[in-house]
Amino acid sequence: AQKITQTQPGMFVQEKEAVTLDCTYDTSDPSYGLFWYKQPSSGEMIFLIYQGSYDQQNATEGRYSLNFQKARKSANLVISASQLGDSAMYFCAVNTGTASKLTFGTGTRLQVTL
Amino acid sequence: DSGVTQTPKHLITATGQRVTLRCSPRSGDLSVYWYQQSLDQGLQFLIQYYNGEERAKGNILERFSAQQFPDLHSELNLSSLELGDSALYFCASSVGGSLGAKNIQYFGAGTRLSVL
Repeated sequence: AQKITQTQPGMFVQEKEAVTLDCTYDTSDPSYGLFWYKQPSSGEMIFLIYQGSYDQQNATEGRYSLNFQKARKSANLVISASQLGDSAMYFCAVNTGTASKLTFGTGTRLQVTL
Repeated sequence: DSGVTQTPKHLITATGQRVTLRCSPRSGDLSVYWYQQSLDQGLQFLIQYYNGEERAKGNILERFSAQQFPDLHSELNLSSLELGDSALYFCASSVGGSLGAKNIQYFGAGTRLSVL
């Protein structure tokens, strides 16, 4: 079974600064995908970024990048130039080639301050 | 807008009742997933359908059932509701089923169920 650990229940960052949200995972399947989702206070789940286990380069999507360290089984999300609208819950998730369901971590609440 | 449509947005009902949650996937997506988000359990996978067939099952209660119709929309039926069923129910869709690791799931806005 897969497991996702997000050790930071809450984080604060100043506007325009960069922030790193931690995520470690545990799966025995060699083929897997790592995902980050954002959940604002309105409740919807917004897909941010994806990293495949065989991808050689770290994924990037605009201000979001994924610091993928396969040997350490970590997939940290880096948000550059934080904006007030980035304040939300952030969830890390994993699925595998044999089980496409997503297994989620407990989330990190990010608060961007002026 | 993810392209996944869930109705209704909010549902308030009483214990013992039955409700139906509806989901329309993104155009072209064959797979539909249902997740439950509650304060005590977090985000949990319930069930997956792929092109009308059940593909995977999670910790879905026997009181809950789902189906995917020929037009690919899906419904989640919750019966004999209990207070503990109050949660945010998400539907997600993706192009494929278990076709490999790259299977990005796009979520609807959710249905917030309150059981009183």
